[in-house]
Amino acid sequence: AQSVTQPDIHITVSEGASLELRCNYSYGATPYLFWYVQSPGQGLQLLLKYFSGDTLVQGIKGFEAEFKRSQSSFNLRKPSVHWSDAAEYFCAVGAPRSANNAGNMLTFGGGTRLMVKP
Amino acid sequence: NAGVTQTPKFRILKIGQSMTLQCTQDMNHNYMYWYRQDPGMGLKLIYYSVGAGITDKGEVPNGYNVSRSTTEDFPLRLELAAPSQTSVYFCASSLPGRQIATNEKLFFGSGTQLSVL
Repeated sequence: AQSVTQPDIHITVSEGASLELRCNYSYGATPYLFWYVQSPGQGLQLLLKYFSGDTLVQGIKGFEAEFKRSQSSFNLRKPSVHWSDAAEYFCAVGAPRSANNAGNMLTFGGGTRLMVKP
Repeated sequence: NAGVTQTPKFRILKIGQSMTLQCTQDMNHNYMYWYRQDPGMGLKLIYYSVGAGITDKGEVPNGYNVSRSTTEDFPLRLELAAPSQTSVYFCASSLPGRQIATNEKLFFGSGTQLSVL
């Protein structure tokens, strides 16, 4: 069974500082990986995704993530954090569709809450 | 664009009461999902549907029921509310993924915060 671990429950960074949010996954084959962001009182919004190819993927709002197969990781990064980035971030892993999996069976990590200091 | 609309936003139930969480989407998406979100636990899939008339269990279906009579609507029913069902519930929808890829993007509603006391 697939699983996702986000080791950091809370992270606080200063505005303008760089950011890295960790994500480790467990999956038996090449995973499909996602990062979602949840602003207070809102649903989740897709930041970026990795299916195959270039292991460094670019997303919206200046975020990027790097897939490292050897470390089973898909860490999210941003060079300079803005106050509006304060939110909760979720990493997720998905399985390819197959005869036994009709849809998007995403498994989410527990989330990392990002706080930004002025 | 309305996207995915959930009602109500907040609800307090007494133990044993029943209620239906409503979800509707106007994007003509085939796939719809119900997740619950508990602190530190991420989102857990309750039920999903790949089209009208077709539903299937997710990871945590016990205590819930769903139906999908139309493409647009995917209500979630709690028959006998229990304190363990206190959570934030999210409905989501998506198009089927290309080829063998999983669905690329889920569109989420803004959630229903439910407390069972």
